[in-house]
Amino acid sequence: GAGVSQSPRYKVAKRGQDVALRCDPISGHVSLFWYQQALGQGPEFLTYFQNEAQLDKSGLPSDRFFAERPEGSVSTLKIQRTQQEDSAVYLCASSAPGYREPKGSPLHFGNGTRLTVT
Amino acid sequence: AQTVTQSQPEMSVQEAETVTLSCTYDTSESDYYLFWYKQPPSRQMILVIRQEAYKQQNATENRFSVNFQKAAKSFSLKISDSQLGDAAMYFCAYRRTQGGSEKLVFGKGTKLTVNP
Repeated sequence: GAGVSQSPRYKVAKRGQDVALRCDPISGHVSLFWYQQALGQGPEFLTYFQNEAQLDKSGLPSDRFFAERPEGSVSTLKIQRTQQEDSAVYLCASSAPGYREPKGSPLHFGNGTRLTVT
Repeated sequence: AQTVTQSQPEMSVQEAETVTLSCTYDTSESDYYLFWYKQPPSRQMILVIRQEAYKQQNATENRFSVNFQKAAKSFSLKISDSQLGDAAMYFCAYRRTQGGSEKLVFGKGTKLTVNP
C-alpha cells in the first residue's frame, strides 16, 4: 500500500506570498500530524488532527499558519504572508491508533516539503 | 512540558562495529512511550524501535536494541554490526500515554556516520 504522500516536494516562495502544502495520509489512518523541521534540528510539532477534528494546534507559530482536514483524510497546511523564518522542511505523519495501545502506534511519515522563502 | 535531549550532535562508527547513541528525557509521568527514528537524506522518518515505559525489558529489533533506564530517564540506542546503510540522522522521541495530545516530542538528533 502507499505511504504518506506530500506535495510539492520542493516549494520556493517569495516573501509575502501564500503557500499551501498537501498531505495524503495512509488510507484509514485516523490521526494526522504536521511537524516543522529547521535545518539540522529535530522536528517541531505544529498541529494534530483526529479525523476532521483539529485537537491540538498549540505548535502553530503564528496566526499566519493554518491547517485543515475537512473530510478526515487529506490535509492542507497553509502559510500566509510567508517570512524567511518559515523556511524549513514540513513533515506530515499519520497513524492508526490500535484499540489496545493507541499511544504506542508509530507515526508514519512522508518525505516532507522543503519550503524556501526568498 | 516534556523535553528530550540528545547530547551527541555527531557520532561515527566503523563498519561492523557497535555504536551507542544517547538520549535523556524529562517527564513527571509514570507511563509513556519512547521511540527512536532514523532519517536518511531522503528526509523520510523511519521507525527503528519503540519502548513502553512500564515494560522493564529492553526492546530489541534485529541489530538495534535499547538500554532503558527509567529511574535515570535514559533511553540509549545500540546499533550492532553497523552497516553503511545505517548512516543517517537518529532522533529520540517521547509520547505521553495519559490524556493530552498524541504528539511526539523529538530531540535535536544525532548524525551517525559509518566508515567503511
